[in-house]
Amino acid sequence: DTGVSQDPRHKITKRGQNVTFRCDPISEHNRLYWYRQTLGQGPEFLTYFQNEAQLEKSRLLSDRFSAERPKGSFSTLEIQRTEQGDSAMYLCASSSSPRGTRSSYEQYFGPGTRLTVT
Amino acid sequence: EDQVTQSPEALRLQEGESSSLNCSYTVSGLRGLFWYRQDPGKGPEFLFTLYSAGEEKEKERLKATLTKKESFLHITAPKPEDSATYLCAVRTYNTDKLIFGTGTRLQVFP
Repeated sequence: DTGVSQDPRHKITKRGQNVTFRCDPISEHNRLYWYRQTLGQGPEFLTYFQNEAQLEKSRLLSDRFSAERPKGSFSTLEIQRTEQGDSAMYLCASSSSPRGTRSSYEQYFGPGTRLTVT
Repeated sequence: EDQVTQSPEALRLQEGESSSLNCSYTVSGLRGLFWYRQDPGKGPEFLFTLYSAGEEKEKERLKATLTKKESFLHITAPKPEDSATYLCAVRTYNTDKLIFGTGTRLQVFP
């Protein structure tokens, strides 16, 4: 399977704990995106990387959230001091950006990590 | 502010009963409109990209169309396996992120 993978698939944590999620993009894709989705809503953008550079961050991404993409391969999303409002599905997507082709705009999503904060 | 609105929120169809889902958008400059399918507990699955008004894309029982203000996802003779939430998203010239609507939850009954 050469799709986007995410780990873990499910995470239950207590309020105040730190959690870290991992995303492995499609191997030839240089762009990686993080989104958050709550029940009955569409995904909301959090941040994205081109290679190892973090190019955009949403206002939704508070100081408790940090994302990295060392060496431009996999990415991690860390949430510090979790709150109940952080409970959501965290989705990772990837895309490529070859010049001159529209197909570079298509983002392919992983299965998501379901976070429950108790 | 860039915005995407989908309607209806939920749609129940009998197997074989064709219908359309609507996605209206207000954006500063459209660089692409995307349709995704999402099954419960899973990530969105890419279906179509549309770039300019008048463009159409087809895949099996699905056909997506685009105007300057909205997109339609037409479902012809749906089957129970087409039951899912269908998400619409736009990409603008200002950013690489996708802006999603809240989706249409489709249920097809045999």
